Amino acid sequence: ETGVTQSPTHLIKTRGQQVTLRCSSQSGHNTVSWYQQALGQGPQFIFQYYREEENGRGNFPPRFSGLQFPNYSSELNVNALELDDSALYLCASSPDRNQPQHFGDGTRLSIL
Amino acid sequence: GQNIDQPTEMTATEGAIVQINCTYQTSGFNGLFWYQQHAGEAPTFLSYNVLDGLEEKGRFSSFLSRSKGYSYLLLKELQMKDSASYLCAGVDNYGQNFVFGPGTRLSVLP
Repeated sequence: ETGVTQSPTHLIKTRGQQVTLRCSSQSGHNTVSWYQQALGQGPQFIFQYYREEENGRGNFPPRFSGLQFPNYSSELNVNALELDDSALYLCASSPDRNQPQHFGDGTRLSIL
Repeated sequence: GQNIDQPTEMTATEGAIVQINCTYQTSGFNGLFWYQQHAGEAPTFLSYNVLDGLEEKGRFSSFLSRSKGYSYLLLKELQMKDSASYLCAGVDNYGQNFVFGPGTRLSVLP
């Protein structure tokens, strides 16, 4: 039990649509990161938020955006969905940067 | 860029010891994490090395050599439930950019 919950568990969308994935972290976890994990690969870093501001970004296009809220929840938004966006999306939080991250169970997104 | 390499697959026998290696480009990483991920589940934190040397935690130990860009995870007294993917991940000096390796899929056989 990591104290990090994600919703929904599974989601099916079609190309061109938009999606919002949600994450709820433990109280006091000021850092939240989002990852994309394709089958059989390691997680790929999308971005990190620290105290509600974007604190770092991986190699993902601007159609991937996020928000972090004062209540330790966060969102990942993806616009103009493409088939290659089909993956497991993981949220991970930690009390501060450079500390071990604790992952949620992920949202499996399928694009048809 | 920052690349992390791990063997793709390993097989070991129940009760044995296995060492999973991880190599990375030395510039820019401030620490190295190891995570375990069972199929269909989220990664779970195993260890974090920020200084050179060996960190021991029960059956699991992790080693880091920053000058060589090398880390390993040592699993002792292997159990069937240790069959999983093991992910090595580096973090930059600002804690901003986490880079995961491809993961090593370990199969423990009876």
